[in-house]
Amino acid sequence: EAQVTQNPRYLITVTGKKLTVTCSQNMNHEYMSWYRQDPGLGLRQIYYSMNVEVTDKGDVPEGYKVSRKEKRNFPLILESPSPNQTSLYFCASSPAGTQGGVTQYFGPGTRLTVL
Amino acid sequence: GNSVTQMEGPVTLSEEAFLTINCTYTATGYPSLFWYVQYPGEGLQLLLKATKADDKGSNKGFEATYRKETTSFHLEKGSVQVSDSAVYFCALGSGGYNKLIFGAGTRLAVHP
Repeated sequence: EAQVTQNPRYLITVTGKKLTVTCSQNMNHEYMSWYRQDPGLGLRQIYYSMNVEVTDKGDVPEGYKVSRKEKRNFPLILESPSPNQTSLYFCASSPAGTQGGVTQYFGPGTRLTVL
Repeated sequence: GNSVTQMEGPVTLSEEAFLTINCTYTATGYPSLFWYVQYPGEGLQLLLKATKADDKGSNKGFEATYRKETTSFHLEKGSVQVSDSAVYFCALGSGGYNKLIFGAGTRLAVHP
């Protein structure tokens, strides 16, 4: 089954304790992204990757890191989480395309609470 | 810059009522437009899309037409069901790396 998986689905942590949220896709997609979803703001892009070893900042990258060492995996790293990073996080993947018309496939989400 | 504005919710309807969720956008160039749906506890899934002006996207009884003259992409369904209860996101896609710009989302609750 074609899918994007994320782990963990739920996480409660404390300020400053490093954490990683994993994302994996089995569709051989080139593009992967991380978004955060906050009430009244919709989804905002944190980072994206156009292929292995190619990553760039989205609209809200502060406090996050990513890596793309393998095509299927795109982990999100919070080196020193703070309460304002409490949010619902989604990973997404899509095949390469132009003009923004390509469908993105989303993972089930990770609900993060930072105390 | 590019942006998407959609009507605030929640929208509460009775089963079999007509649904409209308004969406307008601001963009340079010729973006693609999407509606994604998020059912409770799940990730987003594509509902429909349109990639050029006057295109109509449709799926599961939902429709939306890409109106360049009014910069709109309103979502409609003639007869909603309880199972349509979800959050609906209008989104704009542009550029070579498939970035999506989302609206704030509209929560729809359908009652029997």
